Amino acid sequence: DGGITQSPKYLFRKEGQNVTLSCEQNLNHDAMYWYRQDPGQGLRLIYYSQIVNDFQKGDIAEGYSVSREKKESFPLTVTSAQKNPTAFYLCASSMTGNEQYFGPGTRLTVT
Amino acid sequence: GNSVTQMEGPVTLSEEAFLTINCTYTATGYPSLFWYVQYPGEGLQLLLKATKADDKGSNKGFEATYRKETTSFHLEKGSVQVSDSAVYFCALSKNYNNNDMRFGAGTRLTVKP
Repeated sequence: DGGITQSPKYLFRKEGQNVTLSCEQNLNHDAMYWYRQDPGQGLRLIYYSQIVNDFQKGDIAEGYSVSREKKESFPLTVTSAQKNPTAFYLCASSMTGNEQYFGPGTRLTVT
Repeated sequence: GNSVTQMEGPVTLSEEAFLTINCTYTATGYPSLFWYVQYPGEGLQLLLKATKADDKGSNKGFEATYRKETTSFHLEKGSVQVSDSAVYFCALSKNYNNNDMRFGAGTRLTVKP
């Protein structure tokens, strides 16, 4: 089946550790996105990538990093510089000019 | 900048009741407008969209009309079911690439049997 997978579904880390969230798509979409969702709030864009080996900062990129070495994959690293990393992280992808499709999300808890 | 405002929840309805979730937007020009739905513990799914004024998006009994004069895109359904319980997000995009999407805060709907 075509779709977007994110793993793991739940992730726990100690403060001060970097952690990488996985996002893979087999939809042959050009663009991929990372959003952060906090309780009672809408989604906020962290990073996006329109093509391989290129990505752009979104509204809240500080403390995060990404890479886009393959069309299918867009991993997000939450670094220790992110002051409030506990959140629900959503990955999405789209064909240029079309709506975004979302993965199931990863809930990250940092203590 | 571009933004979306949607009615605060939670909204609780009985099965077969009529649903309206209000959404208004602020943007120059003619953005594309979307409604997404999020079921518990899952990602967002596109419910419907409209790309120009007076367009009506519809899906699964839900519909919304792009009203340029009132900058609104209200979501409606004539008869809700328990399975419609979810969080609904209104969103807009100005950019053809849709890499500038702005989401509302979400409205939680609970439908009771």
